[in-house]
Amino acid sequence: DAGVIQSPRHEVTEMGQEVTLRCKPISGHDYLFWYRQTMMRGLELLIYFNNNVPIDDSGMPEDRFSAKMPNASFSTLKIQPSEPRDSAVYFCASSRLYNEQFFGPGTRLTVL
Amino acid sequence: GQQLNQSPQSMFIQEGEDVSMNCTSSSIFNTWLWYKQEPGEGPVLLIALYKAGELTSNGRLTAQFGITRKDSFLNISASIPSDVGIYFCAGPGNTGKLIFGQGTTLQVKP
Repeated sequence: DAGVIQSPRHEVTEMGQEVTLRCKPISGHDYLFWYRQTMMRGLELLIYFNNNVPIDDSGMPEDRFSAKMPNASFSTLKIQPSEPRDSAVYFCASSRLYNEQFFGPGTRLTVL
Repeated sequence: GQQLNQSPQSMFIQEGEDVSMNCTSSSIFNTWLWYKQEPGEGPVLLIALYKAGELTSNGRLTAQFGITRKDSFLNISASIPSDVGIYFCAGPGNTGKLIFGQGTTLQVKP
């Protein structure tokens, strides 16, 4: 079975531009998570979905961040407008059991 | 807020040596998870622990759920170069969100 798929793997953009990160979870997994990883703050949960419904978005840093899950096999995390402090690695993870999460390879975002 | 503290922060060992690392918290956790992250990749789940005192192995890796529920340990026996990476402990916090430790970086010298 394929793991969690994320695209793009790397994204370089200029401040003020819109950024969209994409995720395809593992088939059959009911939970989908978006994390951000930085050296300073480590791994932080941004938002998670259960059965395509957003359950907890309290980790989303600002209104510039939004996430959607239109169906069980696809989710997006959008940043608009992007700022240099958004530079980080963004991970998508999915799970059948909430705790046992399987992570994708991540998207390394650089905002200039 | 709740925190998980991992020690040591980093280790540099010789191939073939055994490795021990731990994760502690000031509050009780009902589940402990151990992940490994290699450069340029996402964390990979190694072991999940659900009962106090539980000892679980995955190949050369063994993890234990501490009796007090405030700590967990991960041991790697006979380390090899591919064990290199960052090892994270994690557990569900009071809000239900998974909390991650800051990681233990392991380097293995061939």
